[in-house]
Amino acid sequence: EDQVTQSPEALRLQEGESSSLNCSYTVSGLRGLFWYRQDPGKGPEFLFTLYSAGEEKEKERLKATLTKKESFLHITAPKPEDSATYLCAVRGGGNQFYFGTGTSLTVIP
Amino acid sequence: NAGVTQTPKFRVLKTGQSMTLLCAQDMNHEYMYWYRQDPGMGLRLIHYSVGEGTTAKGEVPDGYNVSRLKKQNFLLGLESAAPSQTSVYFCASSYGGEQFFGPGTRLTVL
Repeated sequence: EDQVTQSPEALRLQEGESSSLNCSYTVSGLRGLFWYRQDPGKGPEFLFTLYSAGEEKEKERLKATLTKKESFLHITAPKPEDSATYLCAVRGGGNQFYFGTGTSLTVIP
Repeated sequence: NAGVTQTPKFRVLKTGQSMTLLCAQDMNHEYMYWYRQDPGMGLRLIHYSVGEGTTAKGEVPDGYNVSRLKKQNFLLGLESAAPSQTSVYFCASSYGGEQFFGPGTRLTVL
């Protein structure tokens, strides 16, 4: 069964304190791993797509990496505006997407 | 472009009432999806469509029906609402890769 697990559930960082979020997955025939950002009361906003092990994508203070079993979202020198819930999703052999429960990130000034 | 829009934004129903949620996209995407988001459960797929006139069941389809009569619209129906359907509902569209989400509909069933 396709499954996505994210850790930690919640993370509090001081401004400038770098860290990483984890997304581990089991899926038959990975057709993409996706990272989203979700602010309270809003829909998820797309960040990155990764397709194969070893692939990396960067955007401002965020960098996503992918291995055969997990993905990491690295946050370098975070700012308070990076506070949000970060969601990971995988697309398997069909047309369905499976989401993790997310990591709630709080960056303290 | 408006992207993905959802109506209504909020709704309160009584048990047994019916309603339809409307999702519209202006990006000419083939794929459209309906999710529900509950605390601690993450986003769960209800139904999805890979093109006009087609629909398929997702992870949690019971109690819901959908229709995709036009490419730009995807409707989610609740025939007889139950308190367990209290949730935030998100619609998304895709060309086959990443999904673009609407702002959500907060539904409460009393």
